[in-house]
Amino acid sequence: GIQVEQSPPDLILQEGANSTLRCNFSDSVNNLQWFHQNPWGQLINLFYIPSGTKQNGRLSATTVATERYSLLYISSSQTTDSGVYFCAVEGSYGQNFVFGPGTRLSVLP
Amino acid sequence: SAVISQKPSRDICQRGTSLTIQCQVDSQVTMMFWYRQQPGQSLTLIATANQGSEATYESGFVIDKFPISRPNLTFSTLTVSNMSPEDSSIYLCSVEEYRSFGSGTRLTVV
Repeated sequence: GIQVEQSPPDLILQEGANSTLRCNFSDSVNNLQWFHQNPWGQLINLFYIPSGTKQNGRLSATTVATERYSLLYISSSQTTDSGVYFCAVEGSYGQNFVFGPGTRLSVLP
Repeated sequence: SAVISQKPSRDICQRGTSLTIQCQVDSQVTMMFWYRQQPGQSLTLIATANQGSEATYESGFVIDKFPISRPNLTFSTLTVSNMSPEDSSIYLCSVEEYRSFGSGTRLTVV
């Protein structure tokens, strides 16, 4: 099945810093999404982005489908950005939605 | 996107007992999904539930341990049966459209 890798596994930032999270996947995809899981366990959908670039406030994401990777950018980070960021993909051949291992982000005041 | 209500939000259960988790969606959906997230881990799909048919389980998950009901297009339940401490996890339901997720059920088995 499709494999999903994320880097870095852990990231510690000072408030106000910028960061880039990466997601690599092993096959072509129909669907790619970025999620944020807050410290209370709630999973929040950030972007639906199988290709192209999207922006939402301080967050933006880019997926280069031909090269099988996606990037999530967080600018001017805040303590409320802390949590785990997951990339999840659905392969083009009907595979189920597969989650990457996640990047654990800690933003320090 | 769909609004998903999941309950209970958390529970502490004795080993050997069973817990049923409910998932209610505010619109009709064809497919609903149940995931497990073990402590410190990513999400793993347990099964896919279509209304009117048996759920489809992923490798490593069986119906006797995780029976699922899907009585209509807006509701599903997942039961965790004969629980052991290894079942302590967050259980989440999801629906097909843009894969919205419920708020999860944090289960601790003692």
